[in-house]
Amino acid sequence: QSVLTQPPSVSGAPGQRVTISCTGSSSNIGAGYDVHWYQQLPGTAPKLLIYGNSNRPSGVPDRFSGSKSGTSASLAITGLQAEDEADYYCQSYDSSLSGGVFGTGTKVTVL
Amino acid sequence: QVQLQESGPGLVKPSETLSLTCAVSGYSISSGYYWGWIRQPPGKGLEWIGSIYHSGSTYYNPSLKSRVTISVDTSKNQFSLKLSSVTAADTAVYYCARAENDYDSSGYYRYYFDYWGQGTLVTVSS
Repeated sequence: QSVLTQPPSVSGAPGQRVTISCTGSSSNIGAGYDVHWYQQLPGTAPKLLIYGNSNRPSGVPDRFSGSKSGTSASLAITGLQAEDEADYYCQSYDSSLSGGVFGTGTKVTVL
Repeated sequence: QVQLQESGPGLVKPSETLSLTCAVSGYSISSGYYWGWIRQPPGKGLEWIGSIYHSGSTYYNPSLKSRVTISVDTSKNQFSLKLSSVTAADTAVYYCARAENDYDSSGYYRYYFDYWGQGTLVTVSS
């Protein structure tokens, strides 16, 4: 089954910068399909955080930024805040599925 | 504001069929977009189950394709999920979501979920 690979966890002190990687394959990110990111706070539904590799929906702070290169993508959080403690998922389109594929998820902990 | 709300039984017996409905408000399904189902087993990650286009075309995750049916009822502005022959492995929070699909400025396809329901926990147990 197609899946995008993320580190299980990352952590940082308040104010620091953390990055989350997302690695795909030739049927998804490597094929050129855009990468999107979601934030899931405990007990809630995922929320769209970044779409089209680097675009923020209205209301998302500019502390969150995304990028993509080759078969990988990254989410950066600068000026880390306590409220950023959550699970983060990347997502792309996969041609072998003819649908969406999600990352394995990364838990961000604010120390 | 687009809103989605899942509904259906919270407990399903093994080997039976799981049935959920997603009611959409603030947007007419017949106007466009894909509409999808995503699930999340307790403590685990997200899995795309399948999507339906407003015209009725369906796309299913190959790992679930033999057991999944997604349908749309434009008169009620809702779409539904049926998952047959369930086992304990199908216990999860099930989300419905709207899937945006278009092309970025470089011509690359993008497919992402911009509106989500709150999710509903379905437990498979006798």
